[in-house]
Amino acid sequence: EAAVTQSPRNKVTVTGGNVTLSCRQTNSHNYMYWYRQDTGHGLRLIHYSYGAGNLQIGDVPDGYKATRTTQEDFFLLLELASPSQTSLYFCASSDAPGGGSYEQYFGPGTRLTVL
Amino acid sequence: GEQVEQLPSILRVQERSSASINCTYENSASNYFPWYKQEPGENPKLIIDIRSNMERKQIQGLIVLLDKKAKRFSLHITDTQPADSAMYFCAMATGGNNKLTFGQGTVLSVIP
Repeated sequence: EAAVTQSPRNKVTVTGGNVTLSCRQTNSHNYMYWYRQDTGHGLRLIHYSYGAGNLQIGDVPDGYKATRTTQEDFFLLLELASPSQTSLYFCASSDAPGGGSYEQYFGPGTRLTVL
Repeated sequence: GEQVEQLPSILRVQERSSASINCTYENSASNYFPWYKQEPGENPKLIIDIRSNMERKQIQGLIVLLDKKAKRFSLHITDTQPADSAMYFCAMATGGNNKLTFGQGTVLSVIP
């Protein structure tokens, strides 16, 4: 079964703080994604990547940076955290298009609170 | 950007009845439509999907219908059980892109 892990699972920081969320997948997938989940908005794509060193802008990128250091590892960076970034963050991975499956496998989530 | 509208946001049904969730989209080039189920405290998981070359797909008690002319797709859960209580998300992708746009979600409660 596909495996996506995230750390930390919970994080509390203050306004203006610096936060890094980590994601690792052991599926040998090319694509990785960062989403935020908020009531009434569903899952919204922040950034995604189709390989090491690649970064694509998602639908709600403002205030976020991301970096894909290896095929396995994808990081989300909040350099000046704001209360509006309080949310549940999910990482996901998937095969490349044409690989037969579009299924995205999600990690367990990171709950971030910005005070 | 792309948008998907999902309704209703809350759905309560009696056990063993059917539940239906509807989604509409704008881009006629959209060609992949998955549904994800998220149980409380868990991550979303794919339960069924349909591609634009199909109009109907069924996996056990889950039925997905796609009406490309109306730009609408729907999930129907037959013979609901309490274990079906969860959040359900529709989503879509366009072209050969793996980028999914999700609907706002539907909280389904199945009442015993």
